[in-house]
Amino acid sequence: DSGVTQTPKHLITATGQRVTLRCSPRSGDLSVYWYQQSLDQGLQFLIQYYNGEERAKGNILERFSAQQFPDLHSELNLSSLELGDSALYFCASSVETSGAYNEQFFGPGTRLTVL
Amino acid sequence: GQNIDQPTEMTATEGAIVQINCTYQTSGFNGLFWYQQHAGEAPTFLSYNVLDGLEEKGRFSSFLSRSKGYSYLLLKELQMKDSASYLCAVYLYGQNFVFGPGTRLSVLP
Repeated sequence: DSGVTQTPKHLITATGQRVTLRCSPRSGDLSVYWYQQSLDQGLQFLIQYYNGEERAKGNILERFSAQQFPDLHSELNLSSLELGDSALYFCASSVETSGAYNEQFFGPGTRLTVL
Repeated sequence: GQNIDQPTEMTATEGAIVQINCTYQTSGFNGLFWYQQHAGEAPTFLSYNVLDGLEEKGRFSSFLSRSKGYSYLLLKELQMKDSASYLCAVYLYGQNFVFGPGTRLSVLP
Protein backbone atom coordinates (compact mmCIF):
# COMPACT_ATOMS: atom_id res chain seq x y z
CA ASP A 1 0.00 0.00 0.00
CA SER A 2 1.64 3.23 -1.22
CA GLY A 3 -0.56 5.51 0.89
CA VAL A 4 -2.04 7.15 -2.21
CA THR A 5 -5.77 6.57 -2.63
CA GLN A 6 -7.84 6.87 -5.78
CA THR A 7 -11.58 6.71 -6.29
CA PRO A 8 -13.43 5.19 -7.93
CA LYS A 9 -11.61 1.94 -8.77
CA HIS A 10 -13.73 1.34 -11.83
CA LEU A 11 -15.84 3.65 -13.92
CA ILE A 12 -18.01 2.75 -16.90
CA THR A 13 -19.61 5.52 -18.89
CA ALA A 14 -20.75 6.45 -22.38
CA THR A 15 -19.18 8.56 -25.10
CA GLY A 16 -19.80 12.27 -24.71
CA GLN A 17 -20.09 12.09 -20.94
CA ARG A 18 -17.97 13.77 -18.26
CA VAL A 19 -16.32 12.08 -15.28
CA THR A 20 -14.23 13.12 -12.31
CA LEU A 21 -11.43 11.01 -10.86
CA ARG A 22 -10.23 11.71 -7.35
CA CYS A 23 -6.83 11.28 -5.73
CA SER A 24 -5.62 11.74 -2.16
CA PRO A 25 -1.81 11.92 -1.85
CA ARG A 26 0.29 10.41 0.90
CA SER A 27 0.31 12.38 4.11
CA GLY A 28 2.92 15.14 3.81
CA ASP A 29 3.28 14.94 0.02
CA LEU A 30 2.73 18.26 -1.72
CA SER A 31 2.99 17.15 -5.32
CA VAL A 32 0.43 15.17 -7.31
CA TYR A 33 0.92 13.70 -10.77
CA TRP A 34 -1.65 12.23 -13.16
CA TYR A 35 -0.87 9.52 -15.71
CA GLN A 36 -2.84 7.67 -18.35
CA GLN A 37 -1.98 4.08 -19.26
CA SER A 38 -3.57 2.47 -22.27
CA LEU A 39 -2.61 -0.76 -24.02
CA ASP A 40 -1.42 0.90 -27.20
CA GLN A 41 0.31 3.96 -25.74
CA GLY A 42 1.89 2.85 -22.49
CA LEU A 43 2.20 5.19 -19.54
CA GLN A 44 1.74 8.85 -20.42
CA PHE A 45 2.36 11.76 -18.08
CA LEU A 46 -0.59 14.16 -18.08
CA ILE A 47 -0.06 16.90 -15.51
CA GLN A 48 1.56 17.75 -12.18
CA TYR A 49 0.40 19.98 -9.34
CA TYR A 50 2.50 21.21 -6.45
CA ASN A 51 0.85 22.70 -3.39
CA GLY A 52 -2.21 23.77 -5.35
CA GLU A 53 -0.48 25.15 -8.43
CA GLU A 54 0.09 23.59 -11.82
CA ARG A 55 3.78 22.68 -12.13
CA ALA A 56 4.19 20.76 -15.38
CA LYS A 57 2.04 19.68 -18.28
CA GLY A 58 2.50 16.63 -20.44
CA ASN A 59 0.29 15.10 -23.09
CA ILE A 60 -2.99 16.25 -21.62
CA LEU A 61 -5.88 16.85 -23.98
CA GLU A 62 -7.85 20.08 -23.87
CA ARG A 63 -10.92 18.03 -22.92
CA PHE A 64 -9.11 17.06 -19.72
CA SER A 65 -8.45 19.32 -16.77
CA ALA A 66 -7.20 18.91 -13.24
CA GLN A 67 -6.89 20.82 -10.01
CA GLN A 68 -5.39 20.41 -6.58
CA PHE A 69 -7.36 21.64 -3.60
CA PRO A 70 -6.15 23.30 -0.36
CA ASP A 71 -6.29 19.94 1.44
CA LEU A 72 -3.93 18.68 -1.34
CA HIS A 73 -6.30 16.15 -2.84
CA SER A 74 -6.60 16.36 -6.60
CA GLU A 75 -9.27 15.75 -9.21
CA LEU A 76 -8.91 14.93 -12.88
CA ASN A 77 -11.89 15.91 -15.00
CA LEU A 78 -12.44 14.20 -18.33
CA SER A 79 -15.14 15.58 -20.60
CA SER A 80 -16.65 14.80 -24.02
CA LEU A 81 -15.38 11.29 -23.52
CA GLU A 82 -14.34 9.21 -26.51
CA LEU A 83 -13.79 5.47 -26.88
CA GLY A 84 -10.04 6.11 -26.98
CA ASP A 85 -10.11 7.59 -23.49
CA SER A 86 -10.65 4.12 -22.05
CA ALA A 87 -7.55 3.49 -19.97
CA LEU A 88 -6.11 3.11 -16.51
CA TYR A 89 -5.58 6.50 -14.86
CA PHE A 90 -2.94 6.66 -12.16
CA CYS A 91 -2.28 9.34 -9.63
CA ALA A 92 1.10 9.58 -7.91
CA SER A 93 2.45 11.80 -5.17
CA SER A 94 5.83 12.91 -3.94
CA VAL A 95 7.30 15.24 -1.35
CA GLU A 96 8.80 17.41 -4.11
CA THR A 97 10.75 20.05 -2.28
CA SER A 98 12.92 22.74 -3.83
CA GLY A 99 12.30 21.49 -7.35
CA ALA A 100 14.38 18.39 -6.74
CA TYR A 101 13.06 15.08 -7.96
CA ASN A 102 11.61 12.89 -5.29
CA GLU A 103 10.38 9.33 -5.54
CA GLN A 104 6.82 9.11 -6.77
CA PHE A 105 4.35 6.80 -5.06
CA PHE A 106 1.53 5.57 -7.26
CA GLY A 107 -2.06 4.95 -6.30
CA PRO A 108 -3.92 1.80 -7.39
CA GLY A 109 -5.48 3.53 -10.39
CA THR A 110 -8.96 4.12 -11.77
CA ARG A 111 -9.98 1.95 -14.70
CA LEU A 112 -12.17 3.98 -17.05
CA THR A 113 -14.22 2.23 -19.70
CA VAL A 114 -16.01 4.36 -22.27
CA LEU A 115 -18.74 2.55 -24.20
CA GLY B 1 10.25 14.79 -30.37
CA GLN B 2 10.98 12.46 -27.52
CA ASN B 3 11.81 8.81 -28.10
CA ILE B 4 12.59 6.02 -25.67
CA ASP B 5 13.26 2.45 -26.77
CA GLN B 6 13.21 -0.76 -24.75
CA PRO B 7 12.95 -4.42 -25.79
CA THR B 8 9.33 -5.51 -25.75
CA GLU B 9 9.82 -8.85 -24.01
CA MET B 10 12.60 -10.79 -22.28
CA THR B 11 12.76 -14.21 -20.70
CA ALA B 12 15.21 -15.43 -18.08
CA THR B 13 15.63 -18.30 -15.63
CA GLU B 14 15.20 -18.15 -11.89
CA GLY B 15 18.53 -17.40 -10.20
CA ALA B 16 20.06 -15.87 -13.32
CA ILE B 17 21.06 -12.28 -14.13
CA VAL B 18 19.21 -10.20 -16.71
CA GLN B 19 19.99 -6.79 -18.20
CA ILE B 20 17.18 -4.62 -19.58
CA ASN B 21 18.40 -1.88 -21.90
CA CYS B 22 16.89 1.53 -22.53
CA THR B 23 17.97 4.07 -25.14
CA TYR B 24 16.60 7.57 -25.36
CA GLN B 25 16.65 10.62 -27.59
CA THR B 26 15.06 13.53 -25.79
CA SER B 27 15.29 17.31 -25.87
CA GLY B 28 16.54 18.03 -22.39
CA PHE B 29 17.50 15.54 -19.74
CA ASN B 30 17.17 15.84 -16.01
CA GLY B 31 17.50 12.22 -15.00
CA LEU B 32 16.32 8.71 -15.77
CA PHE B 33 14.36 6.36 -13.60
CA TRP B 34 13.16 2.79 -13.65
CA TYR B 35 9.83 1.49 -12.42
CA GLN B 36 8.54 -2.05 -11.94
CA GLN B 37 4.90 -2.78 -12.74
CA HIS B 38 3.16 -6.08 -12.11
CA ALA B 39 0.17 -6.80 -14.32
CA GLY B 40 -2.87 -4.86 -13.20
CA GLU B 41 -0.98 -3.00 -10.49
CA ALA B 42 0.56 0.43 -10.05
CA PRO B 43 4.20 1.11 -10.95
CA THR B 44 6.68 1.05 -8.09
CA PHE B 45 9.92 3.03 -8.04
CA LEU B 46 13.17 1.12 -8.50
CA SER B 47 15.92 3.63 -9.19
CA TYR B 48 16.84 7.13 -10.32
CA ASN B 49 20.06 8.09 -12.12
CA VAL B 50 21.08 11.65 -12.81
CA LEU B 51 24.85 11.21 -13.13
CA ASP B 52 26.78 8.72 -15.26
CA GLY B 53 27.63 5.44 -13.63
CA LEU B 54 26.18 2.54 -11.74
CA GLU B 55 23.74 2.80 -8.84
CA GLU B 56 23.34 -0.39 -6.83
CA LYS B 57 20.38 -1.18 -4.63
CA GLY B 58 20.25 -4.76 -3.40
CA ARG B 59 19.57 -7.18 -6.26
CA PHE B 60 18.85 -4.29 -8.62
CA SER B 61 21.40 -1.96 -10.24
CA SER B 62 20.91 0.80 -12.78
CA PHE B 63 23.48 2.31 -15.11
CA LEU B 64 23.43 5.56 -17.02
CA SER B 65 25.54 7.01 -19.84
CA ARG B 66 24.26 10.45 -20.73
CA SER B 67 26.64 10.88 -23.68
CA LYS B 68 25.29 7.69 -25.26
CA GLY B 69 21.65 8.21 -24.30
CA TYR B 70 21.72 4.78 -22.73
CA SER B 71 20.69 3.12 -19.50
CA TYR B 72 20.26 -0.42 -18.28
CA LEU B 73 18.62 -2.12 -15.34
CA LEU B 74 20.44 -5.17 -14.01
CA LEU B 75 18.52 -7.73 -12.00
CA LYS B 76 20.54 -10.37 -10.14
CA GLU B 77 19.48 -13.64 -8.51
CA LEU B 78 16.19 -13.55 -10.36
CA GLN B 79 13.09 -14.66 -8.49
CA MET B 80 9.69 -15.64 -9.85
CA LYS B 81 8.21 -12.49 -8.31
CA ASP B 82 10.46 -10.41 -10.61
CA SER B 83 8.18 -11.33 -13.51
CA ALA B 84 6.75 -7.91 -14.37
CA SER B 85 7.05 -5.01 -16.78
CA TYR B 86 9.99 -2.67 -16.33
CA LEU B 87 9.48 0.93 -17.39
CA CYS B 88 12.30 3.28 -18.27
CA ALA B 89 11.42 6.98 -18.09
CA VAL B 90 13.25 10.23 -18.69
CA TYR B 91 12.72 13.24 -16.47
CA LEU B 92 12.93 16.32 -18.67
CA TYR B 93 13.61 19.96 -17.93
CA GLY B 94 10.32 21.61 -17.06
CA GLN B 95 9.58 18.61 -14.87
CA ASN B 96 7.90 16.65 -17.61
CA PHE B 97 8.20 12.88 -17.81
CA VAL B 98 8.41 10.60 -20.84
CA PHE B 99 8.02 6.85 -20.39
CA GLY B 100 9.30 4.08 -22.60
CA PRO B 101 6.97 1.30 -23.79
CA GLY B 102 8.14 -1.05 -21.05
CA THR B 103 9.85 -4.45 -21.13
CA ARG B 104 7.84 -7.47 -20.07
CA LEU B 105 10.13 -9.86 -18.19
CA SER B 106 9.16 -13.47 -17.68
CA VAL B 107 11.14 -15.47 -15.12
CA LEU B 108 10.96 -19.21 -15.69
CA PRO B 109 11.63 -21.90 -13.05
